[in-house]
Amino acid sequence: DSGVTQTPKHLITATGQRVTLRCSPRSGDLSVYWYQQSLDQGLQFLIQYYNGEERAKGNILERFSAQQFPDLHSELNLSSLELGDSALYFCASSVVSGSGSDTQYFGPGTRLTVL
Amino acid sequence: QQPVQSPQAVILREGEDAVINCSSSKALYSVHWYRQKHGEAPVFLMILLKGGEQKGHDKISASFNEKKQQSSLYLTASQLSYSGTYFCGTEMGPGGYQKVTFGTGTKLQVIP
Repeated sequence: DSGVTQTPKHLITATGQRVTLRCSPRSGDLSVYWYQQSLDQGLQFLIQYYNGEERAKGNILERFSAQQFPDLHSELNLSSLELGDSALYFCASSVVSGSGSDTQYFGPGTRLTVL
Repeated sequence: QQPVQSPQAVILREGEDAVINCSSSKALYSVHWYRQKHGEAPVFLMILLKGGEQKGHDKISASFNEKKQQSSLYLTASQLSYSGTYFCGTEMGPGGYQKVTFGTGTKLQVIP
């Protein structure tokens, strides 16, 4: 158990709908990362938040948005869903000590299926 | 810039050794190694920092060649539990403020 929690574990929805994925980082971790992993594909970095502020952006679609709240939990919002958005969505957290590279601890993921 | 991993897949018998390579076209600050089993979250193995030493964890170790911008993961005396997909992640700068870019992964299968 990494200490990172994600809800829901599974999500089945229809095209055109909007969903929200939630992530709670490990206690003490200020940084949250979101990744998308399609079937048998690698991890695609979407976005990073640090202490409530957007820090880095990857290949995140305009239909997707995220935020990190004052209690440090984060939400990833996916709208106008398409079949191709079906994937595993992982959240990871890290300390970001500034003294070196920080380990990212991954949550169990949310499996999104768009029908 | 996505790092390139090789080989893409490898099958080992229990007790055999394997090497997985991760190469970048740009100068690296750090390399992360993760293992992911099917349907599960990636699990951290180790981080190698620029200027740091080779690291080891049980029978899994890794090196980081800054001049070649390459890292290698060494698995010795492989066990069935080593099966999974190994990802390297690379950072161009320090402090966790730069995004980690993951390679496409190396599928490792250990058979009895």
